[in-house]
Amino acid sequence: DVKVTQSSRYLVKRTGEKVFLECVQDMDHENMFWYRQDPGLGLRLIYFSYDVKMKEKGDIPEGYSVSREKKERFSLILESASTNQTSMYLCASYSNYGYTFGSGTRLTVV
Amino acid sequence: GENVEQHPSTLSVQEGDSAVIKCTYSDSASNYFPWYKQELGKRPQLIIDIRSNVGEKKDQRIAVTLNKTAKHFSLHITETQPEDSAVYFCASGGTGNQFYFGTGTSLTVIP
Repeated sequence: DVKVTQSSRYLVKRTGEKVFLECVQDMDHENMFWYRQDPGLGLRLIYFSYDVKMKEKGDIPEGYSVSREKKERFSLILESASTNQTSMYLCASYSNYGYTFGSGTRLTVV
Repeated sequence: GENVEQHPSTLSVQEGDSAVIKCTYSDSASNYFPWYKQELGKRPQLIIDIRSNVGEKKDQRIAVTLNKTAKHFSLHITETQPEDSAVYFCASGGTGNQFYFGTGTSLTVIP
């Protein structure tokens, strides 16, 4: 089974802090994605990456950046956290069998 | 970009009845349509998918139908059981392996 691991299940950060959300997959997949999940809005794509050091903006990239220094690791960065970034963040890895999601990180910005 | 609409947002059925969730999409280039189930507190998991060269696919109590002309696809769950209670997301994908998700349907199966 493909494993997609997100380093934290719950995080509480203060407004203005720099926040790193880490995601690691163990199946050598090239394609990785970051989504945020909010009630009534479904899953919205923040950023994705097709390869090492490659990144593409999704639908809601504002306030976020990403890093893909190694194939297995895709990091989401909140440069200066704001309360409207309180959400559930899901990382996903893609194969021919579709997405495998991580367990999610519930981030609260206070 | 792609726009995926999903209905209904909530659905309650009696155990043993059928449940149907519908999605529409806008991009005629989309050719892959997966469905994900997310139980409370857990990650979304792929339960069934269909590609544009197929009109219907079935896996035990779950089936998906696709109408490319009308740009809509549906999830059908028969003989529902309490463990089917979850949030279900449809998605649409095409080139680039990027998926666009619907807003989710919260299904409750009443014992």
